[in-house]
Amino acid sequence: ETGVTQTPRHLVMGMTNKKSLKCEQHLGHNAMYWYKQSAKKPLELMFVYNFKEQTENNSVPSRFSPECPNSSHLFLHLHTLQPEDSALYLCASSRGLAGSSGANVLTFGAGSRLTVL
Amino acid sequence: EDKVVQSPLSLVVHEGDTVTLNCSYEVTNFRSLLWYKQEKKAPTFLFMLTSSGIEKKSGRLSSILDKKELSSILNITATQTGDSAIYLCAVADSGAGSYQLTFGKGTKLSVIP
Repeated sequence: ETGVTQTPRHLVMGMTNKKSLKCEQHLGHNAMYWYKQSAKKPLELMFVYNFKEQTENNSVPSRFSPECPNSSHLFLHLHTLQPEDSALYLCASSRGLAGSSGANVLTFGAGSRLTVL
Repeated sequence: EDKVVQSPLSLVVHEGDTVTLNCSYEVTNFRSLLWYKQEKKAPTFLFMLTSSGIEKKSGRLSSILDKKELSSILNITATQTGDSAIYLCAVADSGAGSYQLTFGKGTKLSVIP
């Protein structure tokens, strides 16, 4: 248990469905992230929130909509996804922004495996 | 655009062998390099290397940063089946006030008895 909890662990959805991924961290961190991990590709940063404010949106399609109501919770709302969106979605948190100092190392959740039919 | 390349992409060794995993990078403003181990679940942090800390060691694992060659290696000695995982390398770029991590594709290590 890393202190970052993601639900659901597995999700199968049709292209017309609306679903949400949830992430909760119990580490007292201030920054939270969504990453996408596809087969044979590097981890792709999707969104970054620092103190609940979005600081990065890496050209992610609007069918992915993040929400960060507080520093402990992060959601990824999914709507009209495509089969190529099937991947492992990893949530992570850090005390400050990643890589800025030795204290700001990413802690990852176990991921939500998404399959879009 | 920042770039991180890991090699080899996959590796199969026998228990007891020593392995060396490579990571090379091209970033605008290097801040730090991180190694993670990913089994079936969450990537877990191994080491962070910076200009002021270019060598780290923990048990059978060690890592060195070569800033001149823009690369890092991760060594695992006396490998065990529990070392089987994907090893991820990431580099932090502090350019433009933004701290982003760029990840490589990972090296999949399989340790067979």
